[in-house]
Amino acid sequence: EIVLTQSPGTLSLSPGERATLSCRASQSVFSTYLAWYQHKPGQAPRLLIYGASIRATGIPDRFSGSGSETDFTLTISRLEPEDFAVYYCQQFGNSPMYSFGLGTKLEIK
Amino acid sequence: QVQLQESGPGLVKPSQTLSLTCTVPGGSIRSGNYYWTWIRQPAGKGLEWIGLIYTSGSIDYNPSLRSRVTMSVDRSNNQFSLKLSSVTAADTAVYYCARLSAFNGSFDSWGQGTLVTVSA
Repeated sequence: EIVLTQSPGTLSLSPGERATLSCRASQSVFSTYLAWYQHKPGQAPRLLIYGASIRATGIPDRFSGSGSETDFTLTISRLEPEDFAVYYCQQFGNSPMYSFGLGTKLEIK
Repeated sequence: QVQLQESGPGLVKPSQTLSLTCTVPGGSIRSGNYYWTWIRQPAGKGLEWIGLIYTSGSIDYNPSLRSRVTMSVDRSNNQFSLKLSSVTAADTAVYYCARLSAFNGSFDSWGQGTLVTVSA
């Protein structure tokens, strides 16, 4: 079973700053099958990035993804007020076929 | 992306069966480009994939829940469903339905989620 470990658990930043979120896999993950989501309370999670680095439809270019094998990163270049949320990484691979990290909470400093 | 909608009871008694339905707008449930899935999130915990179903009816479930899960699809009504039997308090969670891309393994559309509480 592939375990995804996200760090930090909580990240406190101010609007306009750069956010760097990490997702580390316990085994190698195919980049094609690594995705990132944004989740706000009471809302549906939103797909941001798939294929480790491809922005989903309608996602602003301040969001970018990178990485391979066991180390992946989500970067938000300049934080907007609406970006404060919980972010999850997710992989498709070994059983269970789909698994998520525990999330990074991005909060306003 | 499409907006999915979950429906079903918000309260289920222990040992009974949890039943939820997800409505998919338009006819995309018939598309071969997607799988239809359920995901849940207990309060304060992470997201757990429950299972998926294809338009043909083929299925795959999380091994940890396989003995208690049944999923089905109703193409004529653009819906798919989840049944989880023998529930306990540990099954209390927000349940989401989501559309899964058959090409890249990402969940590109989600419902708002529905809270199901298991309690007597």
